[in-house]
Amino acid sequence: AQTVTQSQPEMSVQEAETVTLSCTYDTSESDYYLFWYKQPPSRQMILVIRQEAYKQQNATENRFSVNFQKAAKSFSLKISDSQLGDAAMYFCAHNTNAGKSTFGDGTTLTVKP
Amino acid sequence: GAVVSQHPSWVICKSGTSVKIECRSLDFQATTMFWYRQFPKQSLMLMATSNEGSKATYEQGVEKDKFLINHASLTLSTLTVTSAHPEDSSFYICSLASGGDTQYFGPGTRLTVL
Repeated sequence: AQTVTQSQPEMSVQEAETVTLSCTYDTSESDYYLFWYKQPPSRQMILVIRQEAYKQQNATENRFSVNFQKAAKSFSLKISDSQLGDAAMYFCAHNTNAGKSTFGDGTTLTVKP
Repeated sequence: GAVVSQHPSWVICKSGTSVKIECRSLDFQATTMFWYRQFPKQSLMLMATSNEGSKATYEQGVEKDKFLINHASLTLSTLTVTSAHPEDSSFYICSLASGGDTQYFGPGTRLTVL
C-alpha cells in the first residue's frame, strides 16, 4: 500500500518570492511515478510536474521544480517567482504503474501581493 | 493529452433518489478509469477502478451496491449513487490513466443531496 504525507496544511508566500511545499511518501512499488497537482477554486485538477522514480534528475517545469530524494522518500515542490495565479490547493500524489493514485491531504498556498 | 468530460457538473437531488454521473473520454480509448470522491478542502479518495467490459474494483470501505459503476465502452464510465443521502453529498471526480505516468482528470461533479 502507498501513503502520501503533506505536513503543511497551509503555506503563504510573498509575490515574486520562492516557496517550497513538502511531501513524503511510502510505497511498496519498485517502479512508480510522483506528481504535484494544483487545484484552483474551480476544482479542476491541473498537473504541475511529474517525476519518474527511476530518474535521478529532478524534474523542472519553468518556475516549478522538485527535489526528489528517493532514499528518503521525499518529493518537495519549489515554486520560484511566485505569482498571484499560483494560489491554490496543491496535492502531492503517487502513481503505480497501473495508474492508481494516492494523494496527500493537500497544502493550501496563499500568495500575498 | 486526453480530454475528459463529466456530466452533470452539478446535481441536486432529494434523499432516497438515485443519481447517475457520466465520465467520458473524448479522444482517448480508456480501458481503465478511476472514480474519486473529495470532501471540501480535503484530499481525493479513490473509490473504485472502472474496467471496460468487466466489474469495477472497489476500494476498502466503499459500498459497491451503493456506488454502482458501469464501464460499457472505451469512452464512457458511469457512477450511479443509489438511494442517495445527505452524507453522500460530495465532489466526484473521474480520471483515466495512460499507464502510470499520466493521468487525465475530469472537471468533477458536485452532488448535493437534500
